[in-house]
Amino acid sequence: DGGITQSPKYLFRKEGQNVTLSCEQNLNHDAMYWYRQDPGQGLRLIYYSQIVNDFQKGDIAEGYSVSREKKESFPLTVTSAQKNPTAFYLCASSILAASTDTQYFGPGTRLTVL
Amino acid sequence: GDSVTQMEGPVTLSEEAFLTINCTYTATGYPSLFWYVQYPGEGLQLLLKATKADDKGSNKGFEATYRKETTSFHLEKGSVQVSDSAVYFCALSDPTDSNYQLIWGAGTKLIIKP
Repeated sequence: DGGITQSPKYLFRKEGQNVTLSCEQNLNHDAMYWYRQDPGQGLRLIYYSQIVNDFQKGDIAEGYSVSREKKESFPLTVTSAQKNPTAFYLCASSILAASTDTQYFGPGTRLTVL
Repeated sequence: GDSVTQMEGPVTLSEEAFLTINCTYTATGYPSLFWYVQYPGEGLQLLLKATKADDKGSNKGFEATYRKETTSFHLEKGSVQVSDSAVYFCALSDPTDSNYQLIWGAGTKLIIKP
């Protein structure tokens, strides 16, 4: 079955540590996205990538970094510079970065800073 | 800038009641409109979408009509079930935005009681 996988499901981080969240898709989609979700709020875009080896900052990119070395993979690193990283992180993909395209979501990673 | 406004939740209904969740938007161009659903602890799934004025999206008994004159995309269902309990997000994608970002509402939590 095609889909998006995210790992781990739960992640705990000590202050000052960098952590990397995995996102893999086998849908052959060109575009991939990372969102952050906080309780009672909508999703906010962190980074997105329209094609391999290219990515752009979203609305809240500070304290995060990404890479897109392979079409199917788009890992997100939460750095120690991110002041309030505790949140639910969602990865998504779409066939193309087009306004009519549906974004397909992974199950999410819940990050907690201890 | 573009924005999406949803009715605040939680919305609590009895099983078999009629559901309406209001969504209004502001956008520069002619956006595509989406409803996504998030079940507890999971990622988001597309529920339905509409890409031009007067289009009606429908899925699983849910419907929403793209009303350009009232800039609305209200979600409706004639008879809700306990399994419909979830958080519902309205979103838009504006084709004049070269980044093709999805702009999200804050989400409306729906609770269906047996």
